[in-house]
Amino acid sequence: DAGVTQSPTHLIKTRGQQVTLRCSPKSGHDTVSWYQQALGQGPQFIFQYYEEEERQRGNFPDRFSGHQFPNYSSELNVNALLLGDSALYLCASSLDFGGNYGYTFGSGTRLTVV
Amino acid sequence: AQSVTQLGSHVSVSEGALVLLRCNYSSSVPPYLFWYVQYPNQGLQLLLKYTSAATLVKGINGFEAEFKKSETSFHLTKPSAHMSDAAEYFCAVSSIIQGAQKLVFGQGTRLTINP
Repeated sequence: DAGVTQSPTHLIKTRGQQVTLRCSPKSGHDTVSWYQQALGQGPQFIFQYYEEEERQRGNFPDRFSGHQFPNYSSELNVNALLLGDSALYLCASSLDFGGNYGYTFGSGTRLTVV
Repeated sequence: AQSVTQLGSHVSVSEGALVLLRCNYSSSVPPYLFWYVQYPNQGLQLLLKYTSAATLVKGINGFEAEFKKSETSFHLTKPSAHMSDAAEYFCAVSSIIQGAQKLVFGQGTRLTINP
């Protein structure tokens, strides 16, 4: 049973550029959440998608946007990249948007902004 | 707002010794609490979760945690450390806002096992 799949695994971008990260949830999961983990820090919640809508958003600027597709996969877009956006971006899926059954995390995308 | 504090950013124990990782939470409502483990260059793996059932929760790899409401704590323990336990450990509390749930993580504790 495939878990959460994220692509790409690593990415290097230049300041000011735009980036798209992708996530395929665990089979049977319908909710996708995105987290940013800066080096040496705990993950920070970016937003959550359920039924193709953004259900909740963390304290991130509008440069961070997302999308969920009918097959429950999701994309995270970041515009006008800053050096501070360098981090590990984690996708987590769950059976419901309440997360009562726990979240399954992917291995993440390591984004480096230079 | 809900929050988590992990006491000790780095814990070092000998192989075979007791592992104790401390976590205190703040929540205005009954919380769901989680412990995750992160190995180098990997995502987060769920160790165990508390969802208001039994206060002593058993997880994978021999880990367990006890929910103590009076102390607002959810410390993670393992009786005998193994070299493979070396990793970063995160405590998290769930926060439900407008029907949607998010995880609020602590800063993490790096566990080192000495041979």
